[in-house]
Amino acid sequence: QKEVEQNSGPLSVPEGAIASLNCTYSDRGSQSFFWYRQYSGKSPELIMSIYSNGDKEDGRFTAQLNKASQYVSLLIRDSQPSDSATYLCAVKIGNAGKSTFGDGTTLTVKP
Amino acid sequence: NAGVTQTPKFQVLKTGQSMTLQCAQDMNHNSMYWYRQDPGMGLRLIYYSASEGTTDKGEVPNGYNVSRLNKREFSLRLESAAPSQTSVYFCASSEREPQHFGDGTRLSIL
Repeated sequence: QKEVEQNSGPLSVPEGAIASLNCTYSDRGSQSFFWYRQYSGKSPELIMSIYSNGDKEDGRFTAQLNKASQYVSLLIRDSQPSDSATYLCAVKIGNAGKSTFGDGTTLTVKP
Repeated sequence: NAGVTQTPKFQVLKTGQSMTLQCAQDMNHNSMYWYRQDPGMGLRLIYYSASEGTTDKGEVPNGYNVSRLNKREFSLRLESAAPSQTSVYFCASSEREPQHFGDGTRLSIL
């Protein structure tokens, strides 16, 4: 079992729809959770971080964390073609040290 | 703002050649990382350095060596390149989170 697993994708949604990206992790000691966006041919950039159970909203983005189910998700409301990218889930154990990344889910938003 | 700077951006090597990928950050971060990313896959950690003078192996360290030259610089060396090391290499730095990534080095081994 991989430490961090994401829904395989690719995911395609129409413009204006809600895109839902999912991630599960295996280590119950994980404390920090991150979503990075990576455009084709570019480097990853952080879009959301979440540390406690529940929802965290930032504009059109909502991260949801459920530590009991070892599950973290990213919802993108009113999806735009500019949201088309690969989304990487990353999980960190403790406050220092390395993060483990999932393989990413590629999202395409069609006009 | 330079952030994280990687050199070179592209490189083609022959099997058995050696080379060093350079990374420098100007954000005064303690932690630095080297990842590789293969097509359709996420980032796999090669080595990381939690602070100046320390380095630790990541998920895929075989065939690589690193040097944390000072707080700013973290280099990755391939001693004898193999075709399996063809990949995009990213350097990153952080002070806790988020990690800030360089633009990547696209390395091909023939």
